[in-house]
Amino acid sequence: QQQVKQSPQSLIVQKGGISIINCAYENTAFDYFPWYQQFPGKGPALLIAIRPDVSEKKEGRFTISFNKSAKQFSLHIMDSQPGDSATYFCAASKTGFQKLVFGTGTRLLVSP
Amino acid sequence: DSGVTQTPKHLITATGQRVTLRCSPRSGDLSVYWYQQSLDQGLQFLIQYYNGEERAKGNILERFSAQQFPDLHSELNLSSLELGDSALYFCASSRQGSNTEAFFGQGTRLTVV
Repeated sequence: QQQVKQSPQSLIVQKGGISIINCAYENTAFDYFPWYQQFPGKGPALLIAIRPDVSEKKEGRFTISFNKSAKQFSLHIMDSQPGDSATYFCAASKTGFQKLVFGTGTRLLVSP
Repeated sequence: DSGVTQTPKHLITATGQRVTLRCSPRSGDLSVYWYQQSLDQGLQFLIQYYNGEERAKGNILERFSAQQFPDLHSELNLSSLELGDSALYFCASSRQGSNTEAFFGQGTRLTVV
């Protein structure tokens, strides 16, 4: 019940296209859903996060869509750029508990 | 730069040995978290300390231990190392006890040979 399932495992998108990464969770007690971006040799960096009281959050080219009834959330990267090429992790946690449960990651390659 | 400092960046050691990984959290952060990242297991939470005390425990082996010192830096001790312990070990920190907005260090790559 603690799993977060992430898909796809890898994604190739042309420059200017939309990248979409999906995650599904099981534990309905989760109430914090961040996305992390990780470049090779670096630690994960918080990209954007959402709580279940809203269905969408947008920050620049990055948007999280959240569907509480389906227990799914997704990351959309608009106008994808080669510099966005990285591994993206979704995660989930519940208030009062300390650990982030991570998805398995999506390796995104944005071709020029 | 996240403000979280981990040392060393790389570590190569033999099976059966013991190593210590060090983490300095962002200034003002009281919570420190340790995660292990391997190819087959992804990012796994190991343990969390808050203001010097253990707050939460995850999938941490008995051969592993951690502590947080009065100056809030933390150390992760790995002993009786096995080949399967080879992984990236990340430290993260956050302001309060909650794990929202956790900032990760650049990690220590441990290779056990």
